[in-house]
Amino acid sequence: KAGVTQTPRYLIKTRGQQVTLSCSPISGHRSVSWYQQTPGQGLQFLFEYFSETQRNKGNFPGRFSGRQFSNSRSEMNVSTLELGDSALYLCASSLERSWETQYFGPGTRLLVL
Amino acid sequence: AQSVTQPDIHITVSEGASLELRCNYSYGATPYLFWYVQSPGQGLQLLLKYFSGDTLVQGIKGFEAEFKRSQSSFNLRKPSVHWSDAAEYFCAVGAKNTGNQFYFGTGTSLTVIP
Repeated sequence: KAGVTQTPRYLIKTRGQQVTLSCSPISGHRSVSWYQQTPGQGLQFLFEYFSETQRNKGNFPGRFSGRQFSNSRSEMNVSTLELGDSALYLCASSLERSWETQYFGPGTRLLVL
Repeated sequence: AQSVTQPDIHITVSEGASLELRCNYSYGATPYLFWYVQSPGQGLQLLLKYFSGDTLVQGIKGFEAEFKRSQSSFNLRKPSVHWSDAAEYFCAVGAKNTGNQFYFGTGTSLTVIP
């Protein structure tokens, strides 16, 4: 089976812009979670989607949003980018439940200038 | 509240030496426990997991971990470290009953000296 894929792998944006990141889960996996990883804050949970519905949400501002499509692919969007949004954004998929084994993609490295 | 603690921010070991990375968790029920490894700029790779049963679990790359309920610990071990094991290691708890989320520790960075 193919693993979790994320596109693009690298992005450079400027403050105020918006960005959309994409994640394709492992085939058959229906739960997709997103994480932000920074050197200072470590791994922080953004949100989890299951069956096109947001099932859990972390403590991030409303500028961070996401969605999931009927084929379980997921996108996350960050509007009005700030310098502090520079991070590695990781997507993980699991079969049904987010507390089961999560399999991670390689991440999208976002740099905000 | 659920939490995962990795008390060692950074560990340095010589190649061939044994390794133990510590992980303590706080969770009301029997947790689902995981260890992941991350190479620089990469995603997280699952090393091993514990759901139930035998408290000593074997993983990939020669790693093993032992669940000790009395100590709320899930320490990762390897008898002989290779230079390629240098990476960041994360312990995680899958919280089935509360919040339905995954909780990660802050990670332990491993340096291997030739």
